[in-house]
Amino acid sequence: NAGVTQTPKFQVLKTGQSMTLQCAQDMNHEYMSWYRQDPGMGLRLIHYSVGAGITDQGEVPNGYNVSRSTTEDFPLRLLSAAPSQTSVYFCASRPLDRGHGYTFGSGTRLTVV
Amino acid sequence: SQQGEEDPQALSIQEGENATMNCSYKTSINNLQWYRQNSGRGLVHLILIRSNEREKHSGRLRVTLDTSKKSSSLLITASRAADTASYFCALFQGGSEKLVFGKGTKLTVNP
Repeated sequence: NAGVTQTPKFQVLKTGQSMTLQCAQDMNHEYMSWYRQDPGMGLRLIHYSVGAGITDQGEVPNGYNVSRSTTEDFPLRLLSAAPSQTSVYFCASRPLDRGHGYTFGSGTRLTVV
Repeated sequence: SQQGEEDPQALSIQEGENATMNCSYKTSINNLQWYRQNSGRGLVHLILIRSNEREKHSGRLRVTLDTSKKSSSLLITASRAADTASYFCALFQGGSEKLVFGKGTKLTVNP
């Protein structure tokens, strides 16, 4: 099925550990982004990319790293996990034209202890 | 920063009733989007309305946009228990590619 696939669905990390959240889409969308969702905070943009080799920061980029080597994949790396990064992470994509809605993945629920 | 604010924060209605939620914003927009999120799931795109449009329909959904008042409304007619979800408006921050979301309206439809 066409869409955005996120892995893993759940993850528990210890403070200081690193990990990569995977995001892949098969719709040939140029634009991809990562959001985090916390209770009462809505969704906040972490990083985004308008195409392979191009990334930029969102509202809350600190502690996260991204790269975009292919159109399909947009992994999010946590360099040294902190309890403040406990959240639900969503990946989303759309065609480059802003006149389209975003397709979201089903999310990764991350707990940092 | 440019961000939509939904109102009310929470809404509880009976099945069959209409539900209306609003989104206000502060600066000019290119378009405004509405999304639905069922509990524990990802967001689903509902409707996109462009700045030169005043009203748009999709099934039981009707979205209006008043750029003079900088506000949009999402109306769900003849609501069903399955409409229970959080609803978010989203718009682009300035001229950037950053889509920012409001904090959402939590809708509960009681059977």
